Amino acid sequence: AQKVTQAQTEISVVEKEDVTLDCVYETRDTTYYLFWYKQPPSGELVFLIRRNSFDEQNEISGRYSWNFQKSTSSFNFTITASQVVDSAVYFCALPLNAGGTSYGKLTFGQGTILTVHP
Amino acid sequence: DTAVSQTPKYLVTQMGNDKSIKCEQNLGHDTMYWYKQDSKKFLKIMFSYNNKELIINETVPNRFSPKSPDKAHLNLHINSLELGDSAVYFCASSRRFRGRPDYNEQFFGPGTRLTVL
Repeated sequence: AQKVTQAQTEISVVEKEDVTLDCVYETRDTTYYLFWYKQPPSGELVFLIRRNSFDEQNEISGRYSWNFQKSTSSFNFTITASQVVDSAVYFCALPLNAGGTSYGKLTFGQGTILTVHP
Repeated sequence: DTAVSQTPKYLVTQMGNDKSIKCEQNLGHDTMYWYKQDSKKFLKIMFSYNNKELIINETVPNRFSPKSPDKAHLNLHINSLELGDSAVYFCASSRRFRGRPDYNEQFFGPGTRLTVL
């Protein structure tokens, strides 16, 4: 089955703690892209990162870092020194084969609600 | 300079009514989408249009009918609204990357919160 799983439904941390959000996926595609999106309390969906399945280098952007492990089909997201403004729902997503078309459909994990307390 | 806009932002209506949600993007993208987010925050694609042509039509009741008058607009009409239709509906758009629009970042509208009473 092709799917995206974010097993952590909710995570609660205190400001300045590091936190890792897990994402595990299954796909039949040999080339694929993985995404993370953030949905703050205001409700909009904000793109964070896109990662190519051929590029297993870790990516760092300020306090955010992503660890892509093809061998374990995981694409985890770490926030270092978390801040209250990081409180949001975080989604991992993967385009999955739409069956017979040249377009896939972006399939989201269930989302992880992150709450950062002051 | 809103990239993807949706109207209305809130929609409260009675069961059985018909309503429409409009979406416009000014990014020059050729693919647009409708997603539904339920009360548990689960996001699921409903439809995808590429150059005004329907590409993806998920298992959605045929009470939902998308319409794309041009590349920049994708509207969603819902007939005979039911309680279970209450959700947040997001419009999104993307540009192709390596031939696939779903390989690229999607830009989302602010969402329309639909409440059916």
